[in-house]
Amino acid sequence: AQKITQTQPGMFVQEKEAVTLDCTYDTSDPSYGLFWYKQPSSGEMIFLIYQGSYDQQNATEGRYSLNFQKARKSANLVISASQLGDSAMYFCAMRGTHNAGGTSYGKLTFGQGTILTVHP
Amino acid sequence: EAGVVQSPRYKIIEKKQPVAFWCNPISGHNTLYWYRQNLGQGPELLIRYENEEAVDDSQLPKDRFSAERLKGVDSTLKIQPAELGDSAVYLCASSRYDGTDTQYFGPGTRLTVL
Repeated sequence: AQKITQTQPGMFVQEKEAVTLDCTYDTSDPSYGLFWYKQPSSGEMIFLIYQGSYDQQNATEGRYSLNFQKARKSANLVISASQLGDSAMYFCAMRGTHNAGGTSYGKLTFGQGTILTVHP
Repeated sequence: EAGVVQSPRYKIIEKKQPVAFWCNPISGHNTLYWYRQNLGQGPELLIRYENEEAVDDSQLPKDRFSAERLKGVDSTLKIQPAELGDSAVYLCASSRYDGTDTQYFGPGTRLTVL
């Protein structure tokens, strides 16, 4: 079974500063994918960034980067230069891969989420 | 490209009534997912389709929930009869085989059962 843990129910950051949202995971799959999604108050789930378990480099997408530490089973999201529009719920999620098979493939297992508030 | 489309966006019904949700995935995405998101929690998978085939419906409460994806494109999720505990946001997502299989979500349907 896969499990995602987000230990920060809420985080506050000043506009233009960087913030790190924590995510740890547990899985027995030999390969897997890690995702971060943003969910504003309007409700849509917006894909931010992806990290494959065999990727050598940490993923980056604009102001988003993923600090992937495989040995520690952590996949923290770093948002640089925070903007007011970054205020939202952020979810870390995991998915098993094709080769893993079984029930972990396909479905995303989500954490409980972290509410980020950006102050002006 | 157009995103995942869902309708309705909001639905309020009384318990024991039926309700249906519709989803149109991103063009070219062969995999379609239905998730349920309870307040303050992450989404949980209800069912996953590969084209027309439901390949994972282990979390779908089959006594009252049903789903179909007849032509491998649009999908409908139905609840009959609805219960108070079914109040949640129902999210549809789609993906294609591209190495990451990233799931893209629709805006969701917020269901309130009174």
